[in-house]
Amino acid sequence: QQPVQSPQAVILREGEDAVINCSSSKALYSVHWYRQKHGEAPVFLMILLKGGEQKGHDKISASFNEKKQQSSLYLTASQLSYSGTYFCGTANRDNYGQNFVFGPGTRLSVLP
Amino acid sequence: DSGVTQTPKHLITATGQRVTLRCSPRSGDLSVYWYQQSLDQGLQFLIQYYNGEERAKGNILERFSAQQFPDLHSELNLSSLELGDSALYFCATRSGTEYNEQFFGPGTRLTVL
Repeated sequence: QQPVQSPQAVILREGEDAVINCSSSKALYSVHWYRQKHGEAPVFLMILLKGGEQKGHDKISASFNEKKQQSSLYLTASQLSYSGTYFCGTANRDNYGQNFVFGPGTRLSVLP
Repeated sequence: DSGVTQTPKHLITATGQRVTLRCSPRSGDLSVYWYQQSLDQGLQFLIQYYNGEERAKGNILERFSAQQFPDLHSELNLSSLELGDSALYFCATRSGTEYNEQFFGPGTRLTVL
């Protein structure tokens, strides 16, 4: 039930773009994205709901393809502060409104 | 600052011991989630409480238990500790909006020696 994230890790230079993918084997009601810096708590970035509603970050965008049961997070013109591990969390019909399941994370390193 | 507080920040103990981790949710939030994160690993969902009642259970060991009190703070009890229990333990609360985003506390780093 854990979603799959790809890539596992990515290294960028400042100013470059990155895409992080999250896919599930179950029909999704919502996808949440969080970023965690080393030793710190995860911080909410973005939520995408079934039907297209989106709430989130003004410098990061995301898409949600309900048919393919996947979401992608787009980081454009990366900044050093974007470094961290990105987790997607998925909610489906069984757990919507309760817990959601986090993916294994994608480690992003932005170099100067 | 998410508004979620956790104490203690660090805890060092020995194998076989018992510890209690505490979490206070944001004002007005009724849900509390507990997660375990081992070194460089993902977030493993342990258990969820909502307004004092257990709502969902994840990969929580029988040696672990939790409860949520009438004032909505929650405690996670870990007993018969093993070396492998060393991890960061986060609690999170859920917003009351339709988006259900979670707000994480700063975590408690547990080291079992």
